[in-house]
Amino acid sequence: QVTLRESGPALVKPTQTLTLTCTFSGFSLNTSGMCVSWVRQSPGKAPEWLALIDWDDDKYYSTSLKTRLTISKDASKNQVVLTMTNLDPVDTGTYYCARNRFSSNWLPLDSWGQGTLVTVSS
Amino acid sequence: DIQMTQSPSSLSASVGDRVTITCRASQSIRNNLNWYQQKPGIAPKVLIFAASSLQSGVPSRFSGNRSENDFSLTIMDLQPDDSASYYCQQSYSTPFTFGPGTKVHLK
Repeated sequence: QVTLRESGPALVKPTQTLTLTCTFSGFSLNTSGMCVSWVRQSPGKAPEWLALIDWDDDKYYSTSLKTRLTISKDASKNQVVLTMTNLDPVDTGTYYCARNRFSSNWLPLDSWGQGTLVTVSS
Repeated sequence: DIQMTQSPSSLSASVGDRVTITCRASQSIRNNLNWYQQKPGIAPKVLIFAASSLQSGVPSRFSGNRSENDFSLTIMDLQPDDSASYYCQQSYSTPFTFGPGTKVHLK
């Protein structure tokens, strides 16, 4: 059974850096094809994909946010970490981590964490 | 980035109805289109992947179709549990992008 769980601060001040951790089980990021993505969702809006890290440690980022994002993994701990710098109130939302896979093509985000609500406010 | 559009933004239908939601990509994404259902306060759940493949465990009243860069999600025999928001997402290339969503309300 695949599970993912996000953890991190619920409240962050503007200009600060946000660090979120995704702890997962039921799969390994040492397995060829395995990937973890981060997705966020502002209240009442569509999900917004942020970043992906794959089994080979390749990293992919949102075009508009790539200067502020860093994704990394510790496969031995089954964790993926996302950092976002220079937070702004518009970054308020629910942040999810999700598993996807690559097999000739990118496959869908097939397992999601429950999400963690991050509020950016002074 | 590949832009995704969806229509309608919302719809209201009755139990037993058939509803169709459409999604269009700004460029060719082949069949790399996924559909998600999301209920308030819960993470999205994949219903359809690769344009028309039903995710395991999803009721067969959900189906997907593709015509060039136009995609559709059809829900047959609408049930009260289908009241939710529905999003398309392209996985042809990164950055992955989602459509703006369609809210389905039950009358």
